[in-house]
Amino acid sequence: TQLLEQSPQFLSIQEGENLTVYCNSSSVFSSLQWYRQEPGEGPVLLVTVVTGGEVKKLKRLTFQFGDARKDSSLHITAAQPGDTGLYLCAGGPARQLTFGSGTQLTVLP
Amino acid sequence: DVKVTQSSRYLVKRTGEKVFLECVQDMDHENMFWYRQDPGLGLRLIYFSYDVKMKEKGDIPEGYSVSREKKERFSLILESASTNQTSMYLCASDRDRSSYEQYFGPGTRLTVT
Repeated sequence: TQLLEQSPQFLSIQEGENLTVYCNSSSVFSSLQWYRQEPGEGPVLLVTVVTGGEVKKLKRLTFQFGDARKDSSLHITAAQPGDTGLYLCAGGPARQLTFGSGTQLTVLP
Repeated sequence: DVKVTQSSRYLVKRTGEKVFLECVQDMDHENMFWYRQDPGLGLRLIYFSYDVKMKEKGDIPEGYSVSREKKERFSLILESASTNQTSMYLCASDRDRSSYEQYFGPGTRLTVT
């Protein structure tokens, strides 16, 4: 069974700060996705990375896939209260993703 | 935009009741999934389906069954609800066997008393 570990589990920061959250595994993944989930809602897909070393940017969010395709990071610049939510990474072959348990981010105004 | 809808946002049922959770997607996706989400345990796959009338067990199928009679609709059935099935249930779909990206519904918060 492939496992994905996310760290930190909880993160509380002030508006305007930068942060990085991590998603690590001992297994190689063919792709890795990041989702954001708000309370009472389903996860919403943010990005997919498929190539080792790949970097993708989505406004203030930067996603990186490790060279060996075993890990990924999400960096948020100048965090805003609207970034608050549970950030989930998921990896694996198509049809059967493995999800990490998530990083709960709170951005305080 | 892909839209995945679930029949109820909140449900309260009694122990022993039969419970149906329905999910509909409007983008002609081949694959559909049911997960449950519990604090500290993340998302766990219950069942998935890659075609009409086809189903495969996920990691935690015990106590659940599924039905997919039409491509757009995937139902999760709790034959005899128990309190340990209190959870958030999430339905998802993705395009086909080569797709990596799943699209989720809003979830159903089920409480079994």
